[in-house]
Amino acid sequence: AQKITQTQPGMFVQEKEAVTLDCTYDTSDQSYGLFWYKQPSSGEMIFLIYQGSYDEQNATEGRYSLNFQKARKSANLVISASQLGDSAMYFCAMRGTNAGKSTFGDGTTLTVKP
Amino acid sequence: GAGVSQSPSNKVTEKGKDVELRCDPISGHTALYWYRQSLGQGLEFLIYFQGNSAPDKSGLPSDRFSAERTGGSVSTLTIQRTQQEDSAVYLCASSQRWGDIQYFGAGTRLSVL
Repeated sequence: AQKITQTQPGMFVQEKEAVTLDCTYDTSDQSYGLFWYKQPSSGEMIFLIYQGSYDEQNATEGRYSLNFQKARKSANLVISASQLGDSAMYFCAMRGTNAGKSTFGDGTTLTVKP
Repeated sequence: GAGVSQSPSNKVTEKGKDVELRCDPISGHTALYWYRQSLGQGLEFLIYFQGNSAPDKSGLPSDRFSAERTGGSVSTLTIQRTQQEDSAVYLCASSQRWGDIQYFGAGTRLSVL
């Protein structure tokens, strides 16, 4: 069974500062993938970044980077230079060997303050 | 199409009625997924389809829920004899292949009165 844990129900960050959203996972699969999605108040899930379990380098996509620590089973999302439009709910998710089934965490609500 | 399309965007129904939710995936995507999201919660996997393979129905919460995918494209999620606990947002996603990045539709908000 897979499990995703996001321990921060809510986070606040000042505009232009960096913020780290935590995600830990549990799986017995050797091959897996980790995803982060953003869900603004409009409700649509927006893909942000992906990290494969065998990727040697941490994934980066613009202002988003994934701090992947395999031994600690953590995949934290780092958002640099926060913008007001970053205010949203953020979900960490993983897919294992049964790649069709993705497990999502409960999410972290990020609020960017002006 | 340009993105995953879901209809209706909102559905209000009475307890005991059947509802059908539709998902039109991105053209060319072979995998299609259904999730349920209750208010303020994460996503609960329901079912996924991959090409012509038998769907993985392991996430369906009861036999009142069923889904089909016709012609490898459009999918319909059917909920029979709806209950108030079925009220949620139902999200559909598609990916180019099994396990790839999933792209989501805007969801259908179902309210069972």
